[in-house]
Amino acid sequence: DVKVTQSSRYLVKRTGEKVFLECVQDMDHENMFWYRQDPGLGLRLIYFSYDVKMKEKGDIPEGYSVSREKKERFSLILESASTNQTSMYLCASSPLRDRGWDQPQHFGDGTRLSIL
Amino acid sequence: AQSVTQPDIHITVSEGASLELRCNYSYGATPYLFWYVQSPGQGLQLLLKYFSGDTLVQGIKGFEAEFKRSQSSFNLRKPSVHWSDAAEYFCAVGAELFTSGTYKYIFGTGTRLKVLA
Repeated sequence: DVKVTQSSRYLVKRTGEKVFLECVQDMDHENMFWYRQDPGLGLRLIYFSYDVKMKEKGDIPEGYSVSREKKERFSLILESASTNQTSMYLCASSPLRDRGWDQPQHFGDGTRLSIL
Repeated sequence: AQSVTQPDIHITVSEGASLELRCNYSYGATPYLFWYVQSPGQGLQLLLKYFSGDTLVQGIKGFEAEFKRSQSSFNLRKPSVHWSDAAEYFCAVGAELFTSGTYKYIFGTGTRLKVLA
């Protein structure tokens, strides 16, 4: 089975801190994604990576950056955490096929981040 | 623009009753459609997917979904709900290319299912 592992289930940080959320997948998937999930808003894409060192902005990239130095690891960085970034963060991965988007995503269990 | 609508935010059913969760999409071509389930404190798990062919697709845990192009719908059904089905359900479409030629998924806002004993 595909395993997507997020380093923390719960995280509490303070306003202004630099925050790192880590995600590792073990199935050699090319694509990795970071979403935030808020009640009533569903999943919103923050960033997406389709290869090492390659990234694409999603729908809500402001206040975030990402890093993908190795194929299996995709990090989300909150440069200066703010209270409105308190949320559930979900990482996902999927393989690259000829048409790409016919492959389902595999999700981690999420990190619930609180910014105080 | 591509979009996915789940019109029901909350649904409550009795255990043993049938279930239908609605999903409508907006997309210019034939979409790739997915249903995911999220149990409390967990990530999303794939229930089923539709790519082409038979419009009635079977998934895990006894769920099925029917693709209706004329109605732009992909509704999820289960004939008899179990208490363990209480969760949040998300419909998603795989579509919309980025300028790099890659793709993303568009999710609905979810339907939270409550099951009464």
